[in-house]
Amino acid sequence: EVLLVESGGDLVRPGGSLRLSCAASGFIYSSYDMNWVRQAPGKGLEWISSISNSGITIYYADSVRGRFTISRDNAKNSLYLQMNSLKAEDTGVYFCARDRGPSDYWGQGTLVTVSS
Amino acid sequence: EIVLTQSPGTLSLSPGERATLSCRASQSVSSRYLAWFQQKPGQAPRLLVYGVSSRATGVPNRFSGSGSATNFTLTISGLEPEDFAMYYCQQYGTSPKMFGQGTKVEIK
Repeated sequence: EVLLVESGGDLVRPGGSLRLSCAASGFIYSSYDMNWVRQAPGKGLEWISSISNSGITIYYADSVRGRFTISRDNAKNSLYLQMNSLKAEDTGVYFCARDRGPSDYWGQGTLVTVSS
Repeated sequence: EIVLTQSPGTLSLSPGERATLSCRASQSVSSRYLAWFQQKPGQAPRLLVYGVSSRATGVPNRFSGSGSATNFTLTISGLEPEDFAMYYCQQYGTSPKMFGQGTKVEIK
């Protein structure tokens, strides 16, 4: 069974940093690209970053480029999102998703709240 | 970037009725890389349709996708109680992999 479990969400002050993790199991993790998608409270889905299976090719949404860094450790079957210079508008649930072209499996999400 | 516009914002229908959801792209979606997702409150999105018209594993055949280039449609042929939810389209051919703003299908 494919399973994705996010962790690391927390309450953080504006300007602070946070590192999210996504633990993958049930599939050959090193064969798949991965995505991070977020959802602000009561709002729609926002794609924020993708990483290729090798970790070589990376893309970011304009809203997070220069502040967030996606990475992966294929030996640990894990995906990461380092978030710096956090803003109130970064508040939301962050999902990791397996990329099979479309995102076919999703975690349940981890909540990030940016507030003073 | 490709901007996706979904309409209507809200669709109020009764169980058994047909739902037609629209997704319009600001430019042609490459290689038919258009997907539809369903999301219920407090849950992760669920992939319904990919490649414009291919149903994901386990998705009932009352869900069907169609369209090309810049105009796409998700049709639910007869609404079941569990189908009342939010629906999002997404293009995944180029980055940024934008989502539409969503259509809420609610019980009339």
